[in-house]
Amino acid sequence: QQQVKQSPQSLIVQKGGISIINCAYENTAFDYFPWYQQFPGKGPALLIAIRPDVSEKKEGRFTISFNKSAKQFSLHIMDSQPGDSATYFCAASPTNDYKLSFGAGTTVTVRA
Amino acid sequence: EPEVTQTPSHQVTQMGQEVILRCVPISNHLYFYWYRQILGQKVEFLVSFYNNEISEKSEIFDDQFSVERPDGSNFTLKIRSTKLEDSAMYFCASSGTHRNEKLFFGSGTQLSVL
Repeated sequence: QQQVKQSPQSLIVQKGGISIINCAYENTAFDYFPWYQQFPGKGPALLIAIRPDVSEKKEGRFTISFNKSAKQFSLHIMDSQPGDSATYFCAASPTNDYKLSFGAGTTVTVRA
Repeated sequence: EPEVTQTPSHQVTQMGQEVILRCVPISNHLYFYWYRQILGQKVEFLVSFYNNEISEKSEIFDDQFSVERPDGSNFTLKIRSTKLEDSAMYFCASSGTHRNEKLFFGSGTQLSVL
């Protein structure tokens, strides 16, 4: 059972462009939605997270958009830089749960 | 910045052998986790540990797996009799006051079962 579906599997964007990664979930008990960034040889690192009481959250060049009725959320990377080249994972969890359910990951390549 | 430390970074073992993966979580954290990532696949939850006991485990975490916090600083994952399909990157993670929020992951142990 795939609890969180993530797309695309990979994307290539030019420096300065916008990267958009989408995730969809099925479990209506999910109410915490983080995004993790992973560089090769490293563990995932928390990038930004959102709860369903807001439709958008922005931190620097990274924005999460959340659509509760559609059960979808997305990550937008504005003004993409080569240093943003990494694998991005969306995840979801009920607040009082111990387990994060991760999406399959999106490899982002930013071309200079 | 505090970090989660995992050793070894790579572990090669023969099928059927026991392995112990070691982790030193961030010192004031209360919640500890093991996740794994098979090459090219998503990160999967194995187990969470809080207040010196398992708080939740996945279907993957069967009787071949165990966790321990032997001395208040280390957190270990033991696989009793390794199988080929146990080959994966194993990540230890810890978090502070909130259960699944702000997980800090270590750099992982790449386990190869031959």
